[in-house]
Amino acid sequence: NAGVTQTPKFQVLKTGQSMTLQCAQDMNHNSMYWYRQDPGMGLRLIYYSASEGTTDKGEVPNGYNVSRLNKREFSLRLESAAPSQTSVYFCASTRGYEQYFGPGTRLTVT
Amino acid sequence: GQQVMQIPQYQHVQEGEDFTTYCNSSTTLSNIQWYKQRPGGHPVFLIQLVKSGEVKKQKRLTFQFGEAKKNSSLHITATQTTDVGTYFCAGPFPTGTASKLTFGTGTRLQVTL
Repeated sequence: NAGVTQTPKFQVLKTGQSMTLQCAQDMNHNSMYWYRQDPGMGLRLIYYSASEGTTDKGEVPNGYNVSRLNKREFSLRLESAAPSQTSVYFCASTRGYEQYFGPGTRLTVT
Repeated sequence: GQQVMQIPQYQHVQEGEDFTTYCNSSTTLSNIQWYKQRPGGHPVFLIQLVKSGEVKKQKRLTFQFGEAKKNSSLHITATQTTDVGTYFCAGPFPTGTASKLTFGTGTRLQVTL
């Protein structure tokens, strides 16, 4: 099992560009999450999906959209990237309470 | 909104010394989880505490959940260089909703020989 996978690993965008971060899990988990991690800020929840077909806003959803394509995949889209969105993005999934994280995407917006 | 704070933000110890990080929530928690993130890595689940006053041990790591279920601590006995990383606590957000977590700010541990 690969667990939780994320693509790409690194990305540099110019202000105003758009991109989609991909996440997939092969553990048959119902719930999936997108977090961002900034120095000194811990992990902050962007969006969450309790099950296929449902999504919910987290603590910092502005500037992002998500799609729960199927049970395995949960993507995060930045429509018009801003320098404030420079961060490390983690996807996670869970069946119960323990969250399993992907390796992260390091995004820089210039 | 719910806030989860951790202290200290950073600690540097010599190998063999003990280490403790403290986690405090602004609201009562139904449970608390702890995660470890190695430098350049992703968070990895360590443990979940559910009961008031609960104490759990994993080898050199001891986890406690406060009687009021608003605070928790992680104590590492005789640190090793393999303990290097950032330790996060996390509580359900809002209280009782097990699927969403609010993470603490983390404590970064550096261990030198």
